Amino acid sequence: GENVEQHPSTLSVQEGDSAVIKCTYSDSASNYFPWYKQELGKRPQLIIDIRSNVGEKKDQRIAVTLNKTAKHFSLHITETQPEDSAVYFCAARAGGTSYGKLTFGQGTILTVHP
Amino acid sequence: SAVISQKPSRDICQRGTSLTIQCQVDSQVTMMFWYRQQPGQSLTLIATANQGSEATYESGFVIDKFPISRPNLTFSTLTVSNMSPEDSSIYLCSVEAGSLGYTFGSGTRLTVV
Repeated sequence: GENVEQHPSTLSVQEGDSAVIKCTYSDSASNYFPWYKQELGKRPQLIIDIRSNVGEKKDQRIAVTLNKTAKHFSLHITETQPEDSAVYFCAARAGGTSYGKLTFGQGTILTVHP
Repeated sequence: SAVISQKPSRDICQRGTSLTIQCQVDSQVTMMFWYRQQPGQSLTLIATANQGSEATYESGFVIDKFPISRPNLTFSTLTVSNMSPEDSSIYLCSVEAGSLGYTFGSGTRLTVV
């Protein structure tokens, strides 16, 4: 089955700096890659996603890049703010007979210091 | 978009008992997914529930421990059976909300004592 590796596990930045979180996946049939932000005690919230036919997607301060050949994708947050502090999860959706299932990375605890 | 109502939001249960968690979606969906999130950990898929067929369980999860019902296209339940302290986790249901991606219920925080 699909395996998603995420790093770093923790990331500490100063307000205004950029943050980058990277994920690799194993199943070349995976076709959809969402990123979730989870604040303490709350449900995961989708912040951005990318599909396998696109190399990059941007939404204000957040961008995601996908390299299908290398099977990795990254989340980029620019001009970080203290409100960005949370746990971030990447995920990959399986294709083929396992279609629909999301496999999650281990998570990154992002701390933005004022 | 799809809005999921999940209940209970939390419960404290005695070991050896069972708890049933419910998820109601405001639109019809083909697949519903049940996840477990242990303290400080990532989300692990327990099973996929399709209406009209048996749920598909992931490696390490069995129907006797986590029976699932899916009586229609808007509702599903997950039961955690014969609970032990190791079952203390957050349990979440999820559906695919079309172009809006996958959305989650608010979660059930289970503590087994």
